[in-house]
Amino acid sequence: GNSVTQMEGPVTLSEEAFLTINCTYTATGYPSLFWYVQYPGEGLQLLLKATKADDKGSNKGFEATYRKETTSFHLEKGSVQVSDSAVYFCALSTRGLYGNNRLAFGKGNQVVVIP
Amino acid sequence: DVKVTQSSRYLVKRTGEKVFLECVQDMDHENMFWYRQDPGLGLRLIYFSYDVKMKEKGDIPEGYSVSREKKERFSLILESASTNQTSMYLCASRLRGAGGNSPLHFGNGTRLTVT
Repeated sequence: GNSVTQMEGPVTLSEEAFLTINCTYTATGYPSLFWYVQYPGEGLQLLLKATKADDKGSNKGFEATYRKETTSFHLEKGSVQVSDSAVYFCALSTRGLYGNNRLAFGKGNQVVVIP
Repeated sequence: DVKVTQSSRYLVKRTGEKVFLECVQDMDHENMFWYRQDPGLGLRLIYFSYDVKMKEKGDIPEGYSVSREKKERFSLILESASTNQTSMYLCASRLRGAGGNSPLHFGNGTRLTVT
């Protein structure tokens, strides 16, 4: 079945540091890949997406590249801010009949940025 | 902007009670979803609906049912609440089709405590 694996554990780093969160996936067919972010007390919101191999999604200084050969979609940001403290989820979506596509989510990574 | 509204932010219910969680979206989306979010487990799909009166079980449907009588409203029902259903519940909606490319739009969640 389809699944998403994110690196274990929270990530704590200092302001202006480089952030990487690893995401690998297993899927049949050609999935679309997403990163969602959840700020404290809120629901998830889309951060970026990529719909085919070698696509790069980007938003708010975050980037992720769809790597089919390594089945990965790692999230990166060159210089984090305190306001980037949140939980980040990697997800994939595959085609389904009648438009009933499902998303599979990773377990999420808590990111804490210290001033 | 898409708005997904969950009727309660916090709920406290007793074991054995029948519990209704309501979700309304204002963008005419065909697909609607219910997830629960637990620490260390990420998001797990309970049920989803790909159109009015259509529903499909997710990964953890036991102890839950759903109702989709109108396109904008998707209700999650706990037939007889138990303490292991204490969790954060997230509703989401999405436009159907687009090959799985369209993102989910989430509500802010309902934190349910069953005592």
